[in-house]
Amino acid sequence: DAMVIQNPRYQVTQFGKPVTLSCSQTLNHNVMYWYQQKSSQAPKLLFHYYDKDFNNEADTPDNFQSRRPNTSFCFLDIRSPGLGDAAMYLCATSRVETGGGQFFGPGTRLTVL
Amino acid sequence: GQNIDQPTEMTATEGAIVQINCTYQTSGFNGLFWYQQHAGEAPTFLSYNVLDGLEEKGRFSSFLSRSKGYSYLLLKELQMKDSASYLCAFRDSGAGSYQLTFGKGTKLSVIP
Repeated sequence: DAMVIQNPRYQVTQFGKPVTLSCSQTLNHNVMYWYQQKSSQAPKLLFHYYDKDFNNEADTPDNFQSRRPNTSFCFLDIRSPGLGDAAMYLCATSRVETGGGQFFGPGTRLTVL
Repeated sequence: GQNIDQPTEMTATEGAIVQINCTYQTSGFNGLFWYQQHAGEAPTFLSYNVLDGLEEKGRFSSFLSRSKGYSYLLLKELQMKDSASYLCAFRDSGAGSYQLTFGKGTKLSVIP
């Protein structure tokens, strides 16, 4: 089945220790998104790729970086996680031409100790 | 500017009908989405409206009025498994029109 996969599902890191979250998709969608979601809040868009074009939200901290080496994969790098970065990180994809909605992966729950 | 609003919490009884409202403001509109999100899980797509009117899909229906900036999600024959957060999101018609703006979600509790 076509899907969006995120690994790991749960990630524990230490304050200041870099961490990388991964997302892959078999939907052949041209847009991939990274959201941060904290408890009882709306998903907050961090950045997205339209094909190879990277688009950073104005309020995304410099601590957060992303890479998209090919159509199928996208990575979220948190260079120096702080306690405030503990959240659910959601990867989503969409295909612009179909005008459809976004399909989400299962998310990675990040804990910062 | 852009704004989207929905109630924070609702409670309804198993077997009943519940309506979750969503109001939005945007200068250009290109679709309204509803997602269901169970605790600790990712949002899953429920419905999409781009034209005025009611879209029915099984026990779930979604309504849109573009002139009023208003949508609702109607859940019929409520089941315990419907306890979840329901996120409303709109897509605007400007640059980057494939992006969505999400509301904070309405946490629905279904009680016996």
